[in-house]
Amino acid sequence: NAGVMQNPRHLVRRRGQEARLRCSPMKGHSHVYWYRQLPEEGLKFMVYLQKENIIDESGMPKERFSAEFPKEGPSILRIQQVVRGDSAAYFCASSPAVAGDNEQFFGPGTRLTVL
Amino acid sequence: GNSVTQMEGPVTLSEEAFLTINCTYTATGYPSLFWYVQYPGEGLQLLLKATKADDKGSNKGFEATYRKETTSFHLEKGSVQVSDSAVYFCALSSYNFNKFYFGSGTKLNVKP
Repeated sequence: NAGVMQNPRHLVRRRGQEARLRCSPMKGHSHVYWYRQLPEEGLKFMVYLQKENIIDESGMPKERFSAEFPKEGPSILRIQQVVRGDSAAYFCASSPAVAGDNEQFFGPGTRLTVL
Repeated sequence: GNSVTQMEGPVTLSEEAFLTINCTYTATGYPSLFWYVQYPGEGLQLLLKATKADDKGSNKGFEATYRKETTSFHLEKGSVQVSDSAVYFCALSSYNFNKFYFGSGTKLNVKP
């Protein structure tokens, strides 16, 4: 059973460009979470999605950031008009539909660098 | 609200030394508690967890006990190895909210 897949692993963008980060959850998992890790800091929750629904986006910046988890295909975190402060590692996690012990399984992350 | 506080690093130890990384939390409801480990350039891997008070999580020689009275979940290992060098994150998950709150991480360096 493959783990959580994220791509690309590394992404370089210039200021003002768009960044698209993809996450494929573990097989059988229908809950996806996105976290951001700034250098030398812990992970901060951004958004929690189930298939076709955003459940909790309380950690998402109000502008330029959006996330989706369509019925088919991976979850996408989209950052429009990137700025240098967006440089960070973005981690995706997934959990099964019945998460009795709340464990989340993390992907390897996408490291975004904004020039 | 929910939050996690863990001791700042880096922590530098010699091989076979005893390790303690402190973690305390504040939470509403009855959280589950976790320790994750992050090796350089990689994602987070679950190290151990405890889902209710007085539970002890253990894995690979690491252990932590869920102490409700002191709201703590300290990580311990009796004899560290060079391969344990990594960043360790304490986290809690509130069952109702299904999202994780992470501490800032503690970097562990183990020297031969």
